[in-house]
Amino acid sequence: GESVGLHLPTLSVQEGDNSIINCAYSNSASDYFIWYKQESGKGPQFIIDIRSNMDKRQGQRVTVLLNKTVKHLSLQIAATQPGDSAVYFCADCSNYKLTFGKGTLLTVNP
Amino acid sequence: NAGVTQTPKFQVLKTGQSMTLQCAQDMNHEYMSWYRQDPGMGLRLIHYSVGAGITDQGEVPNGYNVSRSTTEDFPLRLLSAAPSQTSVYFCASSYSQRVGTEAFFGQGTRLTVV
Repeated sequence: GESVGLHLPTLSVQEGDNSIINCAYSNSASDYFIWYKQESGKGPQFIIDIRSNMDKRQGQRVTVLLNKTVKHLSLQIAATQPGDSAVYFCADCSNYKLTFGKGTLLTVNP
Repeated sequence: NAGVTQTPKFQVLKTGQSMTLQCAQDMNHEYMSWYRQDPGMGLRLIHYSVGAGITDQGEVPNGYNVSRSTTEDFPLRLLSAAPSQTSVYFCASSYSQRVGTEAFFGQGTRLTVV
């Protein structure tokens, strides 16, 4: 069936480095994607979104890239900080529903 | 602003017991939803509501009931708890049907069924 998935379950980076978290999706009709951050013991928190008519969107220290040809999303975090340590989810939004991927655990080493 | 408030934060149930997980939001959001999160998995949609008096099933609705009598509240009921329902439950609300940018999540309810 259709699903949203992630390439790697864990990612470890050094403080100050850039982080790249990847996500693949299979529903070619998907037209809206969101990245969420979930810190331990908390609910997901919106980071950034992108619509299918865009290839790139930038926020504060974060950039999302969308490649519709290969059905791939990535979240780039610049100058990663210890506070960025969390699980990151991509989600496909359609018809009132969010379909989440399994998540990538980002660990930032000082 | 309280945002989305879930109660209780933790709960232990015996198999067969019933309980209601509470969710309330004070942002006048029309759309509310319930998710469960299991280890190593993303959130899965249980039920959702696009407004008072309207509810619909999500991906994993079996074993759960919901109602939406007011805009503010969206309780999730477990009629006969099973160990398979051990999970962390999240309630979310958003201003519009376009879930995402406006979506706010509660802090979660950690439920254990023994």
